[in-house]
Amino acid sequence: NAGVTQTPKFQVLKTGQSMTLQCAQDMNHNSMYWYRQDPGMGLRLIYYSASEGTTDKGEVPNGYNVSRLNKREFSLRLESAAPSQTSVYFCASSSSGRTDSLGYGYTFGSGTRLTVV
Amino acid sequence: GNSVTQMEGPVTLSEEAFLTINCTYTATGYPSLFWYVQYPGEGLQLLLKATKADDKGSNKGFEATYRKETTSFHLEKGSVQVSDSAVYFCALSGGSNYKLTFGKGTLLTVNP
Repeated sequence: NAGVTQTPKFQVLKTGQSMTLQCAQDMNHNSMYWYRQDPGMGLRLIYYSASEGTTDKGEVPNGYNVSRLNKREFSLRLESAAPSQTSVYFCASSSSGRTDSLGYGYTFGSGTRLTVV
Repeated sequence: GNSVTQMEGPVTLSEEAFLTINCTYTATGYPSLFWYVQYPGEGLQLLLKATKADDKGSNKGFEATYRKETTSFHLEKGSVQVSDSAVYFCALSGGSNYKLTFGKGTLLTVNP
């Protein structure tokens, strides 16, 4: 099915390890986003990419880096994982940042559940 | 900046009960408003949306009306089912910031 694909679905890391979360969309969307979901906190934006070749910080960027590899792919990297980064990570995409105001909404992936021990 | 406040729950109802989940927002300009639903173990799915004042979004028996005078977008359903058990997120985009801003989510449990 068309949509947003995230890998892996589950991951356990030791403190200090690094890893990259992968995200790909096949809807020709311009904008892509990384969120983390924590109990009682809702979804918080980590980084976003309004279009290919651009990335910007969101609400909680510390400890993360991103790469917009091409129009389809947007990866999230944890350079030195910490227990505070234990969370569920969601990637999302939308057709265009500015047309979101017209109500197109986002398409979300199914999430990556990350545990840092 | 933009913000969304929704009732935190959890909300527990019996099947066929009436549901209201309150959502209010703060934004400059004229945002679009959304309700997303997250079923257990899944990502978020768009449930309904409204793009201008007095619009009513509806889907799967759920409704929400964009009330600019009260800056609200409350979610309602007349008769809930067990299959409606999920987390519901109110969100907005547009105004000064085109990115989606989410509320903290409301867990709904419907018992048979």
